[in-house]
Amino acid sequence: GDSVTQMEGPVTLSEEAFLTINCTYTATGYPSLFWYVQYPGEGLQLLLKATKADDKGSNKGFEATYRKETTSFHLEKGSVQVSDSAVYFCALSDTGGFKTIFGAGTRLFVKA
Amino acid sequence: AAGVIQSPRHLIKEKRETATLKCYPIPRHDTVYWYQQGPGQDPQFLISFYEKMQSDKGSIPDRFSAQQFSDYHSELNMSSLELGDSALYFCASSGRTEAFFGQGTRLTVV
Repeated sequence: GDSVTQMEGPVTLSEEAFLTINCTYTATGYPSLFWYVQYPGEGLQLLLKATKADDKGSNKGFEATYRKETTSFHLEKGSVQVSDSAVYFCALSDTGGFKTIFGAGTRLFVKA
Repeated sequence: AAGVIQSPRHLIKEKRETATLKCYPIPRHDTVYWYQQGPGQDPQFLISFYEKMQSDKGSIPDRFSAQQFSDYHSELNMSSLELGDSALYFCASSGRTEAFFGQGTRLTVV
């Protein structure tokens, strides 16, 4: 079945460092890909998305490109802030759109 | 803008009791999903509904049941609660694009 694999955390960075969180997927058909973020004590929020190959999603300085050839959707940010400390979930939505499958989540700590 | 509303936000129940969680989707969204997130875990898909019919089923225990009503709100019924059911339960809705999540109901079973 469809699945999402993302790098294990926690990831600890200093403020203004470069961030990469790897995400790869397996899926039949043509899924949409997402990054969700969960700040402490809050629910899941959509961070960015891409619906087809080579699409780049971006939001709040974060970017991810839908790479069909490598089945990847890595999350990047050029300069992280303390306020980016959260858990980041890579996810895919199956072609029918009836289910979103999440990766295990990667916890990010950003130190001042 | 209207978001997904879940109630209650917090719930404490004793073992073997029953709990009902409610989810009110974004207007005009026809699909509702339920997820369970244990402490330090990723969200696990439980069940989804499309146009009031069950559309997909994940790792939902037999002790749990859910339905979507004519106004598209959904309820997750949980019986014979166990300590391991303590978790954050998320509802999400979609209208064929990305899922929008509610704030979740934190269930604590004591």
